[in-house]
Amino acid sequence: AQKVTQAQTEISVVEKEDVTLDCVYETRDTTYYLFWYKQPPSGELVFLIRRNSFDEQNEISGRYSWNFQKSTSSFNFTITASQVVDSAVYFCALRSIQGAQKLVFGQGTRLTINP
Amino acid sequence: DAGITQSPRHKVTETGTPVTLRCHQTENHRYMYWYRQDPGHGLRLIHYSYGVKDTDKGEVSDGYSVSRSKTEDFLLTLESATSSQTSVYFCAISESLEGHQPQHFGDGTRLSIL
Repeated sequence: AQKVTQAQTEISVVEKEDVTLDCVYETRDTTYYLFWYKQPPSGELVFLIRRNSFDEQNEISGRYSWNFQKSTSSFNFTITASQVVDSAVYFCALRSIQGAQKLVFGQGTRLTINP
Repeated sequence: DAGITQSPRHKVTETGTPVTLRCHQTENHRYMYWYRQDPGHGLRLIHYSYGVKDTDKGEVSDGYSVSRSKTEDFLLTLESATSSQTSVYFCAISESLEGHQPQHFGDGTRLSIL
């Protein structure tokens, strides 16, 4: 069975601090994909990044960076110099290549950036 | 933004009534999904479709049925709504079986069963 765990239910930091959101996953598949989605207060789900199981390169996009470590089954997300607009619920998700490509989501981390 | 429209966006109804939620896409994507979002559970898959008239159950399918008579429309029906089905429902679409293709989500339907 596949499982995604986001142990941090809520995080609150002051603006300009760096913050890391943890994601740990379980799967028996050798090929899989990991995703991060952002859900701002307006409620929609916004795709942020995708990573496949064969690519362990870290990725940086502006203030966002992602650290994928297959050895620890983790796909952590760091926001550098956080801003109030980063306040949202963030979901980590796992997608198998089997079947109809269903997504398995973590429980989400609610991030609050205080001014 | 992916062309996904969910309707209605909000609905309040009573226990025991039938409810149908609609997901309409303009992307001609083959795969469509219905999820529900509840506190502490993230999003959980209810049903999905891999083509017209081809559907299958997800993780939390009890009490729900779906239909897909056209590529662009995927309907989720609660035959007899219960209070435990109060939730936010999201539709998602995906272009292909290529695992790297992200699913894109609609804006959600907030459903309250009183």
